[in-house]
Amino acid sequence: EIVLTQSPGTLSLSPGERATLSCRASQSISGSYLAWYQQKLGQAPRPLIYAASSRANGIPDRFSGSGSGTDFTLTISRLEPEDFAVYYCQQYGTSPLTFGGGTKVEI
Amino acid sequence: QVQLQESGPGLVKPSETLSLTCTVSGGSISSHFWSWIRQPPGGGLEWIAYIYYTGISDYNPSLKSRVTISLDTSKKEISLRVTSVTAADTAVYYCATGGHVTTPLGYWGQGTLVTVSS
Repeated sequence: EIVLTQSPGTLSLSPGERATLSCRASQSISGSYLAWYQQKLGQAPRPLIYAASSRANGIPDRFSGSGSGTDFTLTISRLEPEDFAVYYCQQYGTSPLTFGGGTKVEI
Repeated sequence: QVQLQESGPGLVKPSETLSLTCTVSGGSISSHFWSWIRQPPGGGLEWIAYIYYTGISDYNPSLKSRVTISLDTSKKEISLRVTSVTAADTAVYYCATGGHVTTPLGYWGQGTLVTVSS
């Protein structure tokens, strides 16, 4: 199975700052089928990005995704207070679908 | 918009079978793949299985020997059974659309916590 490694484990930033989250795959992800999700405490994951760079419906444009092959990045251009959460990457190009371990973005 | 609601017993005894149901509203059950995903307390996410209304399905090899996913189109329900549970199966269980290769996980239910304990 494809192992996804997210870094850093925790990112300590302030509102208004830029956040850069990394997701590295153990092998190339077919079709760049890589998604990003945001999860707040006690809530289900919320889809942010599909196919490495396409924003899901209703996601503000401060969220952007990039990358291909084995290296992918989620960027939040200017952190809003509601963006402090845990972010997961997930590949859906090869079965079994797998998730990264998550990056916590904290104040 | 598709809405998903998971339901099931909150507590299951070790070695018994865990059974969960996901009820679909606001959409056609034949329009999506349907997955189960779980998350242990304080832990990460693990995809369990998906099913399509035609009956095709796929399982995570880590759980395949103990898991069955099924679908009732008339009731618009997706079910999950996990046999021989242990404390390691304690988790919030989510249902979601998608899960087939090339199909992302789109709509998610709110999840249901299942605790395995005697």
